[in-house]
Amino acid sequence: GNSVTQMEGPVTLSEEAFLTINCTYTATGYPSLFWYVQYPGEGLQLLLKATKADDKGSNKGFEATYRKETTSFHLEKGSVQVSDSAVYFCALRDGGFKTIFGAGTRLFVKA
Amino acid sequence: NAGVTQTPKFQVLKTGQSMTLQCAQDMNHEYMSWYRQDPGMGLRLIHYSVGAGITDQGEVPNGYNVSRSTTEDFPLRLLSAAPSQTSVYFCASSYSGTGGTDTQYFGPGTRLTVL
Repeated sequence: GNSVTQMEGPVTLSEEAFLTINCTYTATGYPSLFWYVQYPGEGLQLLLKATKADDKGSNKGFEATYRKETTSFHLEKGSVQVSDSAVYFCALRDGGFKTIFGAGTRLFVKA
Repeated sequence: NAGVTQTPKFQVLKTGQSMTLQCAQDMNHEYMSWYRQDPGMGLRLIHYSVGAGITDQGEVPNGYNVSRSTTEDFPLRLLSAAPSQTSVYFCASSYSGTGGTDTQYFGPGTRLTVL
């Protein structure tokens, strides 16, 4: 069945460091891929998405490119801020009714 | 728009008690779902609905019931609470369940503890 694997956390970075959170997926067909972010005490909110191969999703300085050849959707940001501290979830949706989430990666950014 | 709302925010139950977690959305979304979030396990789908009167099971449905009598509301019932149901519960909605591209909108969550 479909699945999403993302790197374990926590990830601890200093402010202005470069961020990469790895995400790979297993799916039949052509799923849509998402990154959601969860700030402390809140629900998840969409950060970015890509719906077909080679698409790049971007928002708030974050980017991820849908790589079908490597079945990956890694999240990157060039310069993180303390306010980026949160839990990040990679997810896929295959055209059916279910979204499959990864386990989440907690990011801590130190001033 | 209030978006997706959930009540209560926190709840403590004793083993064997029943309760209903409320979820409502004001975006006229057809698709609604319930997830539970446990440490290290991401979000797991409990039940979902593709419209009023239509519900189906997700990945971990045992011990939970749902109904969808209106487009706006999708309550989750715990029939006889067990400590294994201690978790954070999120309700989500999206415009439709099909197509695979729809963004899901999440409520703020209900933190449930079963003693």
